[in-house]
Amino acid sequence: AQKVTQAQTEISVVEKEDVTLDCVYETRDTTYYLFWYKQPPSGELVFLIRRNSFDEQNEISGRYSWNFQKSTSSFNFTITASQVVDSAVYFCGVYNFNKFYFGSGTKLNVKP
Amino acid sequence: GAGVSQTPSNKVTEKGKYVELRCDPISGHTALYWYRQSLGQGPEFLIYFQGTGAADDSGLPNDRFFAVRPEGSVSTLKIQRTERGDSAVYLCASSPGLAGATILTDTQYFGPGTRLTVL
Repeated sequence: AQKVTQAQTEISVVEKEDVTLDCVYETRDTTYYLFWYKQPPSGELVFLIRRNSFDEQNEISGRYSWNFQKSTSSFNFTITASQVVDSAVYFCGVYNFNKFYFGSGTKLNVKP
Repeated sequence: GAGVSQTPSNKVTEKGKYVELRCDPISGHTALYWYRQSLGQGPEFLIYFQGTGAADDSGLPNDRFFAVRPEGSVSTLKIQRTERGDSAVYLCASSPGLAGATILTDTQYFGPGTRLTVL
């Protein structure tokens, strides 16, 4: 069974637009961790954020923000005022039952 | 400083052959991870080393896959009797492995990957 669903396969926006990447996870564990990674065209995964299941506070880091809603099992990622350099594939992930599970990724295209 | 490096960047082999993929972690990082990423998919965890020992190898798909890290630095992922389904990008990551950190709280730094193609 799939553990992480990223329903948006690909999104295209124009620079300076805000964009939200959706992530829905599935777990039977009460303790788990959620992740977001960025994979630019160069291919190297870049860690963005990690959140444990007991911390539902939203987080903001510069133009990035994350909305964790335990009630809906979602961990959405918003980029404010997007830039061309934000173009990449973004992966959401969950760690539970001693294994990492990643979604299939959302490809974000930011056009100038 | 240098990041995680992986060699070769590309490997083409024939079905049934044996391959080795190498990972050089960031200097001083005690933790090392291997992942496999198939086209259009997210990374799939394979194995995690803390020092020289495999702390978690539950992600290895079958006994054709094996990984070593004999001196606690460089790691080699070995695949025997390769199959076409093994074709993927194999990613390596390392993390500091700080005291008190766990696989969950220690930030991983990824290499560029090795693209394996099995014909």
